[in-house]
Amino acid sequence: LAKTTQPISMDSYEGQEVNITCSHNNIATNDYITWYQQFPSQGPRFIIQGYKTKVTNEVASLFIPADRKSSTLSLPRVSLSDTAVYYCLVGEDVDTDKLIFGTGTRLQVFP
Amino acid sequence: GAVVSQHPSRVICKSGTSVKIECRSLDFQATTMFWYRQFPKQSLMLMATSNEGSKATYEQGVEKDKFLINHASLTLSTLTVTSAHPEDSSFYICSASDRGNYGYTFGSGTRLTVV
Repeated sequence: LAKTTQPISMDSYEGQEVNITCSHNNIATNDYITWYQQFPSQGPRFIIQGYKTKVTNEVASLFIPADRKSSTLSLPRVSLSDTAVYYCLVGEDVDTDKLIFGTGTRLQVFP
Repeated sequence: GAVVSQHPSRVICKSGTSVKIECRSLDFQATTMFWYRQFPKQSLMLMATSNEGSKATYEQGVEKDKFLINHASLTLSTLTVTSAHPEDSSFYICSASDRGNYGYTFGSGTRLTVV
């Protein structure tokens, strides 16, 4: 399983774009990159997943450079309700499909 | 979309008693479910992988006799914390994999407080 490194915390203000970068230098060829969001006292929620280049959905965009050793989650025009912990996960254990969470990035959005 | 229901959402029990937490996949069959534990301000820690019809696989350092996992059907896995102690107080979260589509859907979690 590829190890991921993210900033521990980030601060932003409402209406700003937030970019959270995740490093995964040991990503394997078949690995996908997935981001989850977790609010306090709730289970994580899937945000977006990608393999290469750019992926966009109604919530966020995911940018992945050609070498795939990092990825950036982009949240456009954040609001107070985007205050949460964001986890970057890479790959799956192909034998058991288990997800291993890293430290995550705690995003605080201020008014 | 896939929904995982976890019950109860919150439980307080006395030290020495056992507590059962249920995890149900409501609209899909889950041959594999996962149990996590999360302490305040920390990340999720995988405890075990629950396999339907077979024994669970526990992560290193997790006591299988203390955290009993049963996955008797394709839609239900249970975690029983036996002889609970205050240090078992934590947030327990289950997850299920819908192998038909990519997706790890998480339950809403159970806040266990042992007094």
